[in-house]
Amino acid sequence: GNSVTQMEGPVTLSEEAFLTINCTYTATGYPSLFWYVQYPGEGLQLLLKATKADDKGSNKGFEATYRKETTSFHLEKGSVQVSDSAVYFCALSNTGKLIFGQGTTLQVKP
Amino acid sequence: GAGVSQSPRYKVAKRGQDVALRCDPISGHVSLFWYQQALGQGPEFLTYFQNEAQLDKSGLPSDRFFAERPEGSVSTLKIQRTQQEDSAVYLCASSSGGGRYGQPQHFGDGTRLSIL
Repeated sequence: GNSVTQMEGPVTLSEEAFLTINCTYTATGYPSLFWYVQYPGEGLQLLLKATKADDKGSNKGFEATYRKETTSFHLEKGSVQVSDSAVYFCALSNTGKLIFGQGTTLQVKP
Repeated sequence: GAGVSQSPRYKVAKRGQDVALRCDPISGHVSLFWYQQALGQGPEFLTYFQNEAQLDKSGLPSDRFFAERPEGSVSTLKIQRTQQEDSAVYLCASSSGGGRYGQPQHFGDGTRLSIL
């Protein structure tokens, strides 16, 4: 079946550090891939997406590249800020519904 | 423009009671999804509507769970004879696409349900 696996958190970084959150998936066919973010006290928001192999999604300094050969969609940011502290969810869709990973909590300290 | 609106934000019920959770999607959005999010976990799919048609209810955990969207807009998720394991955040999402998998989904803030 379809599934998403994320690295376990929490991830704690200092401000301006480089961020990587790993995400790998198992799916039939060619799913679309997403990163959603949940800031404290807020709802889930779409951060970025990629719909086919080798596509790069980007938003707010975050990037992720759809790697079919490694079935991965790792999230990266070159320099994190305190305001990036949140829970990040990797997700896939190939039938309309979203299948989420368990989420990774990021804490950025000043 | 308004986003996805869910009510109530918080609901406390005693075990065995029935509850109803409401979702107001973004105006004009064809697709509507319900998800259940347990504490510390990612959301899990419950059911999907395209307009008023319920096209997928494979994620509903038992026949105590029932969802409807009679006029293709507002949706209600009903849970009968609630159990403690039903305690979770229930999320509603809508999208403009007809369920095509590339379309982003817009989420409401959720209803946090606690069963005592």
